[in-house]
Amino acid sequence: SQTIHQWPATLVQPVGSPLSLECTVEGTSNPNLYWYRQAAGRGLQLLFYSVGIGQISSEVPQNLSASRPQDRQFILSSKKLLLSDSGFYLCAWMVRLMGDTGELFFGEGSRLTVL
Amino acid sequence: AQSVTQPDIHITVSEGASLELRCNYSYGATPYLFWYVQSPGQGLQLLLKYFSGDTLVQGIKGFEAEFKRSQSSFNLRKPSVHWSDAAEYFCAVALSGGSYIPTFGRGTSLIVHP
Repeated sequence: SQTIHQWPATLVQPVGSPLSLECTVEGTSNPNLYWYRQAAGRGLQLLFYSVGIGQISSEVPQNLSASRPQDRQFILSSKKLLLSDSGFYLCAWMVRLMGDTGELFFGEGSRLTVL
Repeated sequence: AQSVTQPDIHITVSEGASLELRCNYSYGATPYLFWYVQSPGQGLQLLLKYFSGDTLVQGIKGFEAEFKRSQSSFNLRKPSVHWSDAAEYFCAVALSGGSYIPTFGRGTSLIVHP
């Protein structure tokens, strides 16, 4: 069966420090991969998505970046964190059945606090 | 552009009471429709989905949802709420025929009183 792992679960970082959140999917190949951010009471904001290795689309301009170095690995990064980067980050992958279905499977999330 | 509206930010019900969470979408064609649930500090879990066919779909944990094309709605229901159902609920829409990017509603927070 397919599983998705996301780490670290919790992170406290000072302003200006770098960030790396990792996500890996097991049990499937060539998934679509997504990074969402969830601020308190504001729903889900799509940050990046990827349809293949090295292919990244950005939905929101900001100081974050994403990379997909392997088929089932998706990394969210920042060179210098801002206070506004605090939030709950969710990685997700999409089932591909006769094309994209829109059904997402989410990781457990990473809580980032920038101080 | 497609959009999803969840008009209720918070819903409070008593344990054992029935529940209906509203979801409306804006799109010309029939999309794929989803409901997800999120417990505090955790990721989202799929409750149910509608792709085609029977407009009343059954999901996990005793939830069901009904697709009404004429109203562009996909409301989530449960006949008897349990305290463990307290969570955030998200409705989502994706273009039928293939879309990389589901659109999510802002979520409805369900509070269950004993």
